[in-house]
Amino acid sequence: AQTVTQSQPEMSVQEAETVTLSCTYDTSENNYYLFWYKQPPSRQMILVIRQEAYKQQNATENRFSVNFQKAAKSFSLKISDSQLGDTAMYFCAFINYFGNEKLTFGTGTRLTIIP
Amino acid sequence: DAGVIQSPRHEVTEMGQEVTLRCKPISGHDYLFWYRQTMMRGLELLIYFNNNVPIDDSGMPEDRFSAKMPNASFSTLKIQPSEPRDSAVYFCASNPQGVGTQYFGPGTRLLVL
Repeated sequence: AQTVTQSQPEMSVQEAETVTLSCTYDTSENNYYLFWYKQPPSRQMILVIRQEAYKQQNATENRFSVNFQKAAKSFSLKISDSQLGDTAMYFCAFINYFGNEKLTFGTGTRLTIIP
Repeated sequence: DAGVIQSPRHEVTEMGQEVTLRCKPISGHDYLFWYRQTMMRGLELLIYFNNNVPIDDSGMPEDRFSAKMPNASFSTLKIQPSEPRDSAVYFCASNPQGVGTQYFGPGTRLLVL
């Protein structure tokens, strides 16, 4: 079974700084997707970024980028120039490309941006 | 394009009452997922459908929970009878292919007194 581990339950950073959230996962599969979802206080689950395992290039979306290390099974999220609106829970998630369609979530990291 | 729509957004009920949560997936998405989120257990997949057919309901906690998808644009999650431990946020999500990005609705916050 796949597992996703987020070892940082809480983090805080000053506005405009850069912060990195960690995620590791365990799988025996070679083809899969990895995601970071953001859950602000409104509770909405919002996709931040997605990475296909077969792509060597790290995904980026504006201020958000990932460091995908397939051999190490590591998938960290970097937020540059952090903003107050980035305050949220961040969940790392995994799904196999083949097989069942179940997303496996980590336990989340609560990120607070300090003004 | 409208995203995933869920109703109600908030529900407060008393123990023993029937609760029905509703979801409208994004048009053209063949897969629909129901999740429950609690502080203790995090995000749990309850059940998912492909083309209106339930594929995996192994996450449904008890017989008190049931889900249906009578057509491609509507699904319900029913709890009967409800219990205080069912209090949680229930999310519906959809995607076009099964594997890949799931798009979540705003959730229904359920409180069972």
